[in-house]
Amino acid sequence: AQSVTQLDSQVPVFEEAPVELRCNYSSSVSVYLFWYVQYPNQGLQLLLKYLSGSTLVKGINGFEAEFNKSQTSFHLRKPSVHISDTAEYFCAVTGNNDMRFGAGTRLTVKP
Amino acid sequence: DGGITQSPKYLFRKEGQNVTLSCEQNLNHDAMYWYRQDPGQGLRLIYYSQIVNDFQKGDIAEGYSVSREKKESFPLTVTSAQKNPTAFYLCASSTRAGRVGFGELFFGEGSRLTVL
Repeated sequence: AQSVTQLDSQVPVFEEAPVELRCNYSSSVSVYLFWYVQYPNQGLQLLLKYLSGSTLVKGINGFEAEFNKSQTSFHLRKPSVHISDTAEYFCAVTGNNDMRFGAGTRLTVKP
Repeated sequence: DGGITQSPKYLFRKEGQNVTLSCEQNLNHDAMYWYRQDPGQGLRLIYYSQIVNDFQKGDIAEGYSVSREKKESFPLTVTSAQKNPTAFYLCASSTRAGRVGFGELFFGEGSRLTVL
């Protein structure tokens, strides 16, 4: 089965600074990779996904991620964060409909 | 409106009792999932189903059971064999691999189970 590891449980950052949330995956088959965001007291929302094609994927709210097959990584980046980006971010992987999530990274943006 | 409905939102159970959490979707999705969310552990997959009358165990299926008799419904039973059932349970659905929209899971609002 596929799995993902999110390397940081918490990431504090100041407003307007860049941020990178790290995600590594393991799989013996081709995979599809995703990032979801969960705002306080809300459900999960899809940020972006990699299915095939260009390894640089752009999502909502200015986020982007790069699929790196050789390093088995799918790190999420944003060049300048806002207070409203404070949330929990989950990396997820599937080979064929068995979607699995990482433990999550709590991003806290400070003024 | 289209979406996923989970019920009940809050549930209390005595030790030794089985409880069933309801999950209904009207999105015409083939795939449905049950996850358990605990602080610091993210979402862990309990069971998933890609089609009616078929389902597979996830990573933490012990002590849980499911059925998929209708496309719209995927109920989860937490049995007395589950040793630590107090948690937040999330149901989700999606289109199948190869179809437009694959990978975007739509989640219900969750059910919080507390064992007394």
